Amino acid sequence: AQRVTQPEKLLSVFKGAPVELKCNYSYSGSPELFWYVQYSRQRLQLLLRHISRESIKGFTADLNKGETSFHLKKPFAQEEDSAMYYCALSDSPGGTSYGKLTFGQGTILTVHP
Amino acid sequence: NAGVMQNPRHLVRRRGQEARLRCSPVKGHSHVYWYRQLPEEGLKFMVYLQKENIIDESGMPKERFSAEFPKEGPSILRIQQVVRGDSAAYFCASSPRLAGGNTGELFFGEGSRLTVL
Repeated sequence: AQRVTQPEKLLSVFKGAPVELKCNYSYSGSPELFWYVQYSRQRLQLLLRHISRESIKGFTADLNKGETSFHLKKPFAQEEDSAMYYCALSDSPGGTSYGKLTFGQGTILTVHP
Repeated sequence: NAGVMQNPRHLVRRRGQEARLRCSPVKGHSHVYWYRQLPEEGLKFMVYLQKENIIDESGMPKERFSAEFPKEGPSILRIQQVVRGDSAAYFCASSPRLAGGNTGELFFGEGSRLTVL
């Protein structure tokens, strides 16, 4: 069965410092991975997906199949990045993916001024 | 354009009572998912529904839990004879119609927090 692990429950950095939120996964097939974010008093929302290879709000994430990791990185953290971050893996039965996601436990990022 | 609407936001039930949680997806979305978040844990998939059909209920407990998404009206997650272990946040999410493979993006509601006394 697939599993997503976020080893850090809490992560604190100072504004302007680099930040890396770790995510490791186990999955027998070809994974589709996502980062979701929940800002204070807001809904959970998609931040980025690995297939897009895009940078959103300065964040990037590279899928490393050898290390089965999908770490989220930002070179210079901002206070508004403080939020709960969830790494998620999409189940793709029969090659057609849909919204059955396996979530990690989440990492609370706090960026101090 | 309203997002996913869930109600009630908070629900308190005594052991043995029934809980009904409602979810109205984003307008035009025909796929609904229910997730449960127990304290100190991540979201766990429960069930995936399309209009009038349950597509995948592999995450649903075998007893007391049921879900529906009727042709008209919201999706309902129903928990019968609640126990304290059912206390959790229940999130609904929706996605648009599949078109050659979903991007996997889900649009989440704010959640319904169930407390069983």
